[in-house]
Amino acid sequence: SQQGEEDPQALSIQEGENATMNCSYKTSINNLQWYRQNSGRGLVHLILIRSNEREKHSGRLRVTLDTSKKSSSLLITASRAADTASYFCATDASGGSYIPTFGRGTSLIVHP
Amino acid sequence: DTEVTQTPKHLVMGMTNKKSLKCEQHMGHRAMYWYKQKAKKPPELMFVYSYEKLSINESVPSRFSPECPNSSLLNLHLHALQPEDSALYLCASSLPGGEGKEQYFGPGTRLTVT
Repeated sequence: SQQGEEDPQALSIQEGENATMNCSYKTSINNLQWYRQNSGRGLVHLILIRSNEREKHSGRLRVTLDTSKKSSSLLITASRAADTASYFCATDASGGSYIPTFGRGTSLIVHP
Repeated sequence: DTEVTQTPKHLVMGMTNKKSLKCEQHMGHRAMYWYKQKAKKPPELMFVYSYEKLSINESVPSRFSPECPNSSLLNLHLHALQPEDSALYLCASSLPGGEGKEQYFGPGTRLTVT
């Protein structure tokens, strides 16, 4: 299946620092999405980047996509304790059903 | 209204019980999804409904039975579950078809099978 692999699996930082998470995938994609999940809750969509885009910004979030390396990164700048959550990338394969498949996630802890 | 609601929030059931999970959205989305999520794992797709018709069943055991009575509602009927079915069950909705669409998730139902 087209499952992304997030790296690192866990990340612990201090408030104010930047957090970077990476996602790698195996086959060509239409787009890649990033979601956040607070403990035991539903997922919240953060940003979608299409296969022909290289970078997108949304507030403190910056997402890059390198289709030649089949990888994406999510940067959260000036992190806050409220950013503590799990972050998942989701991809849908070219020629596929357009149903996003989630990676294993990165658990981010931001210490106040 | 950009909310997906799920009821109940928590459910404890025995292996011989029959129960149902409910999901509702009023965003006009015509694609709805059920996911199962175990602790510290990503969501696993179970079912997809598109225009109230089941379009994807990810080889889910028949003890899970989905139903989409109308474009706003999605149910998951549970019968004769096993303890390993204990998990967070997430409902999501999106615009159907075309390139991958943003999914809106409900808060989930925490299911415990005893």
